[in-house]
Amino acid sequence: QIVLTQSPAIMSASPGEKVTMTCSASSSVSYMHWYQQKSGTSPKRWIYDTSKLASGGPARFSGSGSGTSYSLTISSMEAEDAATYYCQQWSSNPPTFGSGTKLEIK
Amino acid sequence: QVQLKQSGPGLVQPSQSLSITCTVSGFSLTSYGVHWVRQSPGKGLEWLGVIWSGGSTDYNAAFISRLSISKDNSKSQVFFKMNSLQVNDTAIYYCGRRDAWYAMDYWGQGTSVTVSS
Repeated sequence: QIVLTQSPAIMSASPGEKVTMTCSASSSVSYMHWYQQKSGTSPKRWIYDTSKLASGGPARFSGSGSGTSYSLTISSMEAEDAATYYCQQWSSNPPTFGSGTKLEIK
Repeated sequence: QVQLKQSGPGLVQPSQSLSITCTVSGFSLTSYGVHWVRQSPGKGLEWLGVIWSGGSTDYNAAFISRLSISKDNSKSQVFFKMNSLQVNDTAIYYCGRRDAWYAMDYWGQGTSVTVSS
């Protein structure tokens, strides 16, 4: 199965700071999805098909990548963005998730 | 609006089975597939299986011998059953709707399951 490695595992950012987190796949995938999860709640689809922002998602979020390297970027960190972000692929069975990047506000 | 509501036990004894019902609203099970995923501190998010709109299923090979997913389209319900639970099956179990891009666009509230005697 394809292993997704997210980095960093934990990061913190100040309000207004640009944030970038990455997801590296053990084999090439065609697209990547990203989920946002806040403590005690279910994950939410946040970015899908590599770069499409889910409905209601702030425009400061963007996704990019191809092959084995994907990233999620926040152009200007806000307090409400503090959460854990997971990447997920289903180019190959079984679908797999990364272990998450926990983003904290400074 | 689209909703998925889960019901099931919170405590299961070792070697017993787990049954969870996912009741959906706002969409038809004849048009969308439903995934099952679990989340535990030790293993993170794990995909367990999916029931497609036509009724066929795919399972994670690691669970295929003890997992069953079925549905009743008329009642808008999806049924999840896992047998022979062990302590390391302790996790939060989620159902979620599969979107056109093979992501999960709507999730249930989760069922927290503890396997303990």
